[in-house]
Amino acid sequence: DAGVTQSPTHLIKTRGQHVTLRCSPISGHKSVSWYQQVLGQGPQFIFQYYEKEERGRGNFPDRFSARQFPNYSSELNVNALLLGDSALYLCASSYATPSEQFFGPGTRLTVL
Amino acid sequence: ELKVEQNPLFLSMQEGKNYTIYCNYSTTSDRLYWYRQDPGKSLESLFVLLSNGAVKQEGRLMASLDTKARLSTLHITAAVHDLSATYFCAVDTPGGTSYGKLTFGQGTILTVHP
Repeated sequence: DAGVTQSPTHLIKTRGQHVTLRCSPISGHKSVSWYQQVLGQGPQFIFQYYEKEERGRGNFPDRFSARQFPNYSSELNVNALLLGDSALYLCASSYATPSEQFFGPGTRLTVL
Repeated sequence: ELKVEQNPLFLSMQEGKNYTIYCNYSTTSDRLYWYRQDPGKSLESLFVLLSNGAVKQEGRLMASLDTKARLSTLHITAAVHDLSATYFCAVDTPGGTSYGKLTFGQGTILTVHP
């Protein structure tokens, strides 16, 4: 069975640009969560979606937004990129909430 | 605000030795997860601990949860080089629709030497 997939794998942007990251959950999973992992730190929660509705938001500025589509895939959007947005962005899916979250391979974002 | 602290943050072990990683958290929760991360890779789920007194074992790793003490431990038995990685504990925010927001510890970088 396919696990969580994310695209793209790597991305390089410049300050002020916008980026869209994509995530496809494990088949049958209805919840998607997004995390940001800065080098040397643990992941930090950004958003959770369940059945296309936002269920939780972490302590991130409004430049960060997300949505979940009818097929349960999800997009994370970041506007007006800053150098500090450089990180590994992880998507996790779960069947419901609460249940175990399975992480995708991540998207490595570099902001120059 | 839920805080999760791991110690030690760095652990250098000899092969064959035993050691324990500790994970303390600040507010009541009955759901705790342990993950492994290899350099440049994503998170691999190791253990899911869902109740007080839960103990899980897989190979040379054993995890336990004491919800009253707000403490989880990850015990390594007879370490081998393949266990070298970063280990994270993550605590689920308790209650209703708040579940699913994981708060991670800082991670423990484990290096196993011959």
